[in-house]
Amino acid sequence: QKEVEQDPGPLSVPEGAIVSLNCTYSNSAFQYFMWYRQYSRKGPELLMYTYSSGNKEDGRFTAQVDKSSKYISLFIRDSQPSDSATYLCAMSSYSGGYQKVTFGTGTKLQVIP
Amino acid sequence: DAGVIQSPRHEVTEMGQEVTLRCKPISGHNSLFWYRQTMMRGLELLIYFNNNVPIDDSGMPEDRFSAKMPNASFSTLKIQPSEPRDSAVYFCASRNRDRGQPQHFGDGTRLSIL
Repeated sequence: QKEVEQDPGPLSVPEGAIVSLNCTYSNSAFQYFMWYRQYSRKGPELLMYTYSSGNKEDGRFTAQVDKSSKYISLFIRDSQPSDSATYLCAMSSYSGGYQKVTFGTGTKLQVIP
Repeated sequence: DAGVIQSPRHEVTEMGQEVTLRCKPISGHNSLFWYRQTMMRGLELLIYFNNNVPIDDSGMPEDRFSAKMPNASFSTLKIQPSEPRDSAVYFCASRNRDRGQPQHFGDGTRLSIL
């Protein structure tokens, strides 16, 4: 079993829809939770970064962490064609004195105008 | 504010040739990471440097892979000899080691070994 599981999609939605992207994990030691957005032929770009359980909002994006269920989500409101990208969840813990980050394999999202 | 800079952006070479990928981290960042991304396996950590010192190279697939960080502003990942299965996108990322700071990625080197 992988430490981080993420549905690869692809996920196709109409413009304006609410998008829900999810990841589950098995390692209780994960402390920091991140969402990266990756456009085609570009590097992953940090979108959201959170430490605790609960919700964190930034514009149209909301990150949700439920440590008890080992489940994180990213919600995108009023989705736009420019949101079309691959979204990677990432989680980190401290091991051997340094932060180790584990990435999901990514969910490909397409927002149709 | 310059981000992580990688070169070359694309590399096509024949099997058996030496390949060198280069990375300039964000100024002031003291941790540097090399990743490999493929469709099948996603993002895999190859090696991690802290203050120019390799800390964890357990992700380096074989002895054909080596990485160096001679100073705080430059790192290389070398593959010698290269094989077709090394074809992938290689990313460099850096961060400030202060606890909890996230990594910032370059745009990667797309490597094709024929």
